[in-house]
Amino acid sequence: EVQLVESGGGLVQPGRSLRLSCAASGFTFDDYAMHWVRQAPGKGLEWVSGISWNSGSIGYADSVKGRFTISRDNAKNSLYLQMNSLRAEDTALYYCALTPVATIKGSYFDYWGQGTLVTVSS
Amino acid sequence: EIVLTQSPGTLSLSPGERATLSCRASQSVSSSYLAWYQQKPGQAPRLLIYGASSRATGIPDRFSGSGSGTDFTLTISRLEPEDFAVYYCQQYGSSPQMYTFGQGTKLEIK
Repeated sequence: EVQLVESGGGLVQPGRSLRLSCAASGFTFDDYAMHWVRQAPGKGLEWVSGISWNSGSIGYADSVKGRFTISRDNAKNSLYLQMNSLRAEDTALYYCALTPVATIKGSYFDYWGQGTLVTVSS
Repeated sequence: EIVLTQSPGTLSLSPGERATLSCRASQSVSSSYLAWYQQKPGQAPRLLIYGASSRATGIPDRFSGSGSGTDFTLTISRLEPEDFAVYYCQQYGSSPQMYTFGQGTKLEIK
């Protein structure tokens, strides 16, 4: 059974940093691309970032480019999101999501974690 | 960037009725790279449809997707009580920046 468990969320002041993690199990982690998708309270879904199976291809939404860094450790079956220079508008539930392909292009998200909440506020 | 517009914003129907949800793209969606997700309160989104018309694993056949180009539809043939939720369409194009979602349609019990 595929399991994705996010952690690392919390309350952080504007301008500070936070690192999210996603622990994966139930599938061969290094065969597939992974993504982060966020959802602000009461709002819709927004793709944040994606990383290919071997970290060779990475993409970011314009809203986070230059501030967020996605990475993965295939030996630990883990996905990460380093979030720097956080803003109030980054407040959201952050989901990690699995795609059925190795690249970050052209695929849907077939499994999602339950999310970790990031609140940016002074 | 392709913008997806879902309609209606809210759809009020009764169990047993047919639901038709629309997703319109501002530009043609390549290769029908269009997915639909269901999200219930407090839960993560669940994949229903990919490739515009292929049902995901374990999705009941009352859910169907259709369309191409700029106009896509999710149809639920006979609503069950557990189908009342928010539905999102998503396009996943050939560029990593082409992952965009519609704003959602809330399907509520009438």
